[in-house]
Amino acid sequence: GQQVQQSPASLVLQEGENAELQCNFSSTATRLQWFYQHPGGRLVSLFYNPSGTKHTGRLTSTTVTNERRSSLHISSSQTTDSGTYFCALSPNTGYQNFYFGKGTSLTVIP
Amino acid sequence: GPKVLQIPSHQIIDMGQMVTLNCDPVSNHLYFYWYKQILGQQMEFLVNFYNGKVMEKSKLFKDQFSVERPDGSYFTLKIQPTALEDSAVYFCASSGDDTQYFGPGTRLLVL
Repeated sequence: GQQVQQSPASLVLQEGENAELQCNFSSTATRLQWFYQHPGGRLVSLFYNPSGTKHTGRLTSTTVTNERRSSLHISSSQTTDSGTYFCALSPNTGYQNFYFGKGTSLTVIP
Repeated sequence: GPKVLQIPSHQIIDMGQMVTLNCDPVSNHLYFYWYKQILGQQMEFLVNFYNGKVMEKSKLFKDQFSVERPDGSYFTLKIQPTALEDSAVYFCASSGDDTQYFGPGTRLLVL
């Protein structure tokens, strides 16, 4: 099955610093999505980004499909960015069973 | 944005009992999924469901698990009988053509 490697496993930032989260995967990903999981458990979709670059607010996702990698950049981090960020991929074009990475746990301190 | 609802938010039951987790997916979505997350660990795919049928299931989807969506109502995950290792948060998700939307999860504790 699909292998999804995320790095770093954890990251501690001072508020205002930038973060770069990496996701590498073992085989073709037709669909790729970045999620943020609140400390309480709720999962929020950040980007659906199987290829190219997308921006929203302070977040940028870049996926290079033929290199099997994606990144999530957080600029000017805030304490409310603290939580776990997951990369998830599906090889399917129809139904899309996502294979999740183990996540990056981000802590932003004031 | 689109919302997936899950009922109940928490459930505590004794080992061996049956439990049904309910999911109200996004209204025009055709694909439905269940995932399992043990505390502090990654999300793992259990099963997907399309057009009234299970399309694919993982090795975590034990024989004690079943899913259905009778008459377009809730998409349900039933565990019968439950085991201690079933304690986890179960997330329902649904999708159309691209983005998959997740519910808030049901925290299941089997005693």
